[in-house]
Amino acid sequence: NAGVTQTPKFQVLKTGQSMTLQCAQDMNHEYMSWYRQDPGMGLRLIHYSVGAGITDQGEVPNGYNVSRSTTEDFPLRLLSAAPSQTSVYFCASSWGVSRDTEAFFGQGTRLTVV
Amino acid sequence: QQQVKQSPQSLIVQKGGISIINCAYENTAFDYFPWYQQFPGKGPALLIAIRPDVSEKKEGRFTISFNKSAKQFSLHIMDSQPGDSATYFCAASSGSGNTGKLIFGQGTTLQVKP
Repeated sequence: NAGVTQTPKFQVLKTGQSMTLQCAQDMNHEYMSWYRQDPGMGLRLIHYSVGAGITDQGEVPNGYNVSRSTTEDFPLRLLSAAPSQTSVYFCASSWGVSRDTEAFFGQGTRLTVV
Repeated sequence: QQQVKQSPQSLIVQKGGISIINCAYENTAFDYFPWYQQFPGKGPALLIAIRPDVSEKKEGRFTISFNKSAKQFSLHIMDSQPGDSATYFCAASSGSGNTGKLIFGQGTTLQVKP
């Protein structure tokens, strides 16, 4: 099993450019989420999904769009990149609401917006 | 508004010593409290987790202590080893352990000196 796979691992964007961060999981998990990690701020939830076709906003959704057309994939779109979106982005997946469930994280995408 | 507050920001411990990281939360609806460990360049990985119906959970050298009335929980690492050097995050979620929607603390960078 590959687990949670994120691509690309590194990306440099110019202000105003758009791009999509890819996330795929092969564990048939219901729940998928996107977080950003910034120094001194921990991980903050951007968007999450409880199943195909269902998404909702997290703590810091502005500037990001998501969709979930399949169970496996949960791409994160930056429509017009800003320097404030420079961060490390993590995708996570889990079975859903149950006892002792675990969220599995990808290796991250380091994004720099110049 | 930081719903989960973590301290200290950084911690240096001698090999064999005890590492203690503390977290406090505000939302009484939280019902699942995991700790994640992250090594440089990697995604976070679940270390240990607790539910509020128990006051302590131990797995090997790692123990979570939970104080529901004080809305605090802590991670104790006994016999700390250099391989434990990493960043540790506490987190919380509500809705019977909805791990699609984790709220993280700010993180603690632990260095264990040989």
